[in-house]
Amino acid sequence: GAGVSQSPSNKVTEKGKDVELRCDPISGHTALYWYRQSLGQGLEFLIYFQGNSAPDKSGLPSDRFSAERTGGSVSTLTIQRTQQEDSAVYLCASSTTSGASTDTQYFGPGTRLTVL
Amino acid sequence: KQEVTQIPAALSVPEGENLVLNCSFTDSAIYNLQWFRQDPGKGLTSLLLIQSSQREQTSGRLNASLDKSSGRSTLYIAASQPGDSATYLCAVTFGNQFYFGTGTSLTVIP
Repeated sequence: GAGVSQSPSNKVTEKGKDVELRCDPISGHTALYWYRQSLGQGLEFLIYFQGNSAPDKSGLPSDRFSAERTGGSVSTLTIQRTQQEDSAVYLCASSTTSGASTDTQYFGPGTRLTVL
Repeated sequence: KQEVTQIPAALSVPEGENLVLNCSFTDSAIYNLQWFRQDPGKGLTSLLLIQSSQREQTSGRLNASLDKSSGRSTLYIAASQPGDSATYLCAVTFGNQFYFGTGTSLTVIP
């Protein structure tokens, strides 16, 4: 079956521009996560959506970062006024229920963002 | 705050060898621990998930152990193959967040 998909696969932008990254989770998965992986560093949790509950935004590094999930399915991560330190691979994952205790997360291929 | 460390950062072994990857975490109050494989351009693939109440999980040539009290997990790969070459990440669920290690880059030489 179809896995988690992300678009675009690569994005190059100029400092100060806004970017939108898209994630299509596996159909039926209620939990969706965004992470980023900077060069030489581990994955960093950004935000977590579970069903219709308010998202856990505790991992967002600044107010330039926001995310929404429409209709409990597709999610968009928006970075405003991009900075060079935002350059990273942004990964999206989904899981069947809350994901926190029992469920395997399925990851998309990521979006590589380069801010010039 | 939870910190996850993986040792070694890189490992190169000849085909057929058995090997062990290590993961340690600072706060033992985890819900579970997962091992992932990361291939370039393909995102992460979950390999094994160990619940906090479990000691180990096995899948094929892979065996993962968990010693929660000491904050350690190991991933054992038996009879390594060139196709096992990838970066291996461990992640712990702590609260409703996931904390990942920086990974071990494994190269299996034919």
